[in-house]
Amino acid sequence: KQEVTQIPAALSVPEGENLVLNCSFTDSAIYNLQWFRQDPGKGLTSLLLIQSSQREQTSGRLNASLDKSSGRSTLYIAASQPGDSATYLCAVPSGGYQKVTFGIGTKLQVIP
Amino acid sequence: GAVVSQHPSWVICKSGTSVKIECRSLDFQATTMFWYRQFPKQSLMLMATSNEGSKATYEQGVEKDKFLINHASLTLSTLTVTSAHPEDSSFYICSAPPGAGGGNTEAFFGQGTRLTVV
Repeated sequence: KQEVTQIPAALSVPEGENLVLNCSFTDSAIYNLQWFRQDPGKGLTSLLLIQSSQREQTSGRLNASLDKSSGRSTLYIAASQPGDSATYLCAVPSGGYQKVTFGIGTKLQVIP
Repeated sequence: GAVVSQHPSWVICKSGTSVKIECRSLDFQATTMFWYRQFPKQSLMLMATSNEGSKATYEQGVEKDKFLINHASLTLSTLTVTSAHPEDSSFYICSAPPGAGGGNTEAFFGQGTRLTVV
């Protein structure tokens, strides 16, 4: 059974700082990994998708890396802004590769 | 990418009533859709798999008689919370299978529904 862990659970940083969010998963036989953003009371916004053959993906100030063998992924946010404040979720396919298992998320607060 | 539309985005209902949540695939046909829920300060957890033309499959601990799923067409799956109680208050979200609507293996989600039972 796939289990996803995210560390830290919460993070508060001053505006402008670079930060790293961590995700680990128990079953390394995945074909991709997704990072999502969830604003309070809202749905999911897909940020980055990394295929199993890739080591990293970049979108603007976001960079996600994937190390399948060690079961880890990181999401790097450069020059953080107050608008980045949200919960960030890591998700991997599981159970026949149709369903998705989520981590509990990292709640980020960027202080102006 | 695939577009999944979920409605309503939020609903408040009285205890004992039923609430229907719709999940539509707008630009693709889906034989399978997934329903997740998220309790406060918890992760999104899979509730059930909706199968077009057949019965839904439920995850362990999810009451199938309480959470009725109907997938009558290839573009619409519905989740009905019957006889809702305050403990059913949660965030419900549907998802198309990874790769739906194209070659990409990305999973696409609806906007989610915030249910509050009073």
